[in-house]
Amino acid sequence: GAGVSQTPSNKVTEKGKYVELRCDPISGHTALYWYRQSLGQGPEFLIYFQGTGAADDSGLPNDRFFAVRPEGSVSTLKIQRTERGDSAVYLCASSSSGTSTDTQYFGPGTRLTVL
Amino acid sequence: DQQVKQNSPSLSVQEGRISILNCDYTNSMFDYFLWYKKYPAEGPTFLISISSIKDKNEDGRFTVFLNKSAKHLSLHIVPSQPGDSAVYFCAARVKRNQFYFGTGTSLTVIP
Repeated sequence: GAGVSQTPSNKVTEKGKYVELRCDPISGHTALYWYRQSLGQGPEFLIYFQGTGAADDSGLPNDRFFAVRPEGSVSTLKIQRTERGDSAVYLCASSSSGTSTDTQYFGPGTRLTVL
Repeated sequence: DQQVKQNSPSLSVQEGRISILNCDYTNSMFDYFLWYKKYPAEGPTFLISISSIKDKNEDGRFTVFLNKSAKHLSLHIVPSQPGDSAVYFCAARVKRNQFYFGTGTSLTVIP
């Protein structure tokens, strides 16, 4: 079956621009996570959705970052006024129920480059 | 502040031998630990996990050991195979759904 997909795979933008990154989780998965992986680092937790609601957004670095999941399936990570330090691979993961021992299935990521 | 650390950025092992990947953590509130494997241009793939109430979990060629007093986690792969060559991340959970990842160890298994 289809895994987690993320679009675009690569995004190049200029400093100050707005970007949207999309995640399509595995069908039926209620839990969805966003992570950011900077060069040479491991994935860093950003936000966790259970259904349509953001159950934990404590990892979002500042108010330029926002994520939505309006119908409990597809999620969009939105970054306003991008900065060069936002350059990273943004990973999305989903799990079946959000029980924290559920396996998280990761997408291939979106590589964001801010010039 | 890096709460989960993998101090070896790379490791090379001969095919058939044991690979040992190490991970140290600082937060005593972590209660669940995982290992992920990552190939280039793909997302991490879950490999094996262990609850903090256990000290060992085994799945085929993969065994994870947890030493809570030392705040140390290790992954043993035996025998190692060329297809095991990848980057391995350890991760730890605190609260219900917050996971902290290490910086990864790149394993190369030499045929």
